Amino acid sequence: DTEVTQTPKHLVMGMTNKKSLKCEQHMGHRAMYWYKQKAKKPPELMFVYSYEKLSINESVPSRFSPECPNSSLLNLHLHALQPEDSALYLCASSLSQGTEHYEQYFGPGTRLTVT
Amino acid sequence: QQPVQSPQAVILREGEDAVINCSSSKALYSVHWYRQKHGEAPVFLMILLKGGEQKGHEKISASFNEKKQQSSLYLTASQLSYSGTYFCGTEIGDSGNTPLVFGKGTRLSVIA
Repeated sequence: DTEVTQTPKHLVMGMTNKKSLKCEQHMGHRAMYWYKQKAKKPPELMFVYSYEKLSINESVPSRFSPECPNSSLLNLHLHALQPEDSALYLCASSLSQGTEHYEQYFGPGTRLTVT
Repeated sequence: QQPVQSPQAVILREGEDAVINCSSSKALYSVHWYRQKHGEAPVFLMILLKGGEQKGHEKISASFNEKKQQSSLYLTASQLSYSGTYFCGTEIGDSGNTPLVFGKGTRLSVIA
């Protein structure tokens, strides 16, 4: 199974809502990533979890809150978002992160619209 | 830190070849190549580590010139399925223990 799954596929939320994005992989990967991708732009790294610990936060606003409950699951909690946060949110995983260099497997993404 | 990709876009007829370049102003430890089709997730193509190695599978190969801080992706005898946006991602430094940063992408369209 080389699949990263993400739910929901689409999400529309108001600026006062609280919602969560979910990502799951069963490949035994120990590094998991959240990326944000705007239309016709490259993925931009937001967070990296390595062995269930947050290892990189790319100065992301606190209205985005990541969580890694176990080695297979990654959540992104959203609160008080702005319209400019509308984007495709991609989750990815790799065997590990750091000195080893492994390919990242991406999920299909959650298309988020903030109204 | 963002690598520079060229060209920005290219249109090919089936069977033609293409080269996509990725260059950095910083010393590179590794270069990753991904392809993303419209509405889909990026898909891994290959990783090249410093040492100037070349990799390839089937009709897609890549090279990495560590001294020039450049990588090139070679697509030969292109097929319709090669259409998509190609991103290079780079890790800088000596040990590569830095986050992957993607270039702006090269949009490749293969027409019949």
